[in-house]
Amino acid sequence: QSALTQPASMSGSPGQSITISCTGTSSDIGDSSYVSWFQQHPGKAPKLMIYEVSDRPSGVSNRFSGSKSGNTASLTISGLQTEDEGDYYCSSKRSSGDRWVFGGGTKLTVL
Amino acid sequence: QVHLVQSGSELKKPGASVKVSCKASGYTLSNYALNWVRQAPGQGLEWMGWINTNTGNPTYAQGLTGRFVFSLDSSVSTAYLQISSLKPGDTAVYYCARDHTTAFDLWGQGTLVTVSS
Repeated sequence: QSALTQPASMSGSPGQSITISCTGTSSDIGDSSYVSWFQQHPGKAPKLMIYEVSDRPSGVSNRFSGSKSGNTASLTISGLQTEDEGDYYCSSKRSSGDRWVFGGGTKLTVL
Repeated sequence: QVHLVQSGSELKKPGASVKVSCKASGYTLSNYALNWVRQAPGQGLEWMGWINTNTGNPTYAQGLTGRFVFSLDSSVSTAYLQISSLKPGDTAVYYCARDHTTAFDLWGQGTLVTVSS
């Protein structure tokens, strides 16, 4: 089963906003309320940033927001900061087949 | 505090086996499913499967071979990933992650398994 599709890389300047897309199918994103986003810094474990499409765990900045339309989920980071640089992964629960699937990851560079 | 603490890095030769542990602290292991995720060097996250921490029943991702086994020892709040007949392509960081039904809300620190002759 294919991974969710994310852009391999994106970049932005401090203070700008950026939106990372994550495209799946009607068997995952399109049929799931359980879409998550993770941030990963080099050598570190992933950190949950968004769950259930648009909810933020306690302690995550409100500069991070999530949304979904059809088979595509999006993560928007507003007011980019240098510490936002890293890899971002989306994930979705599946309605059939494997329980969970990840996106291929997006490397975010803050210039 | 709530943690998942994994065992340390491993260096193994091809054909050998390895057992990675993931110990839950600060919460009751049986209250949440436990997933395994691997990340090959320079690559993305790959969901490997999960174990029902109430029944001990494992479910493996499609395409994951029989060389991978998930198990539990509830008496010590620990989950295990065993990989047999190791291949160089198994070289990766292996993570355990708590499944709060809606998302992976707690991750172990990762265990690097290197397979090299």
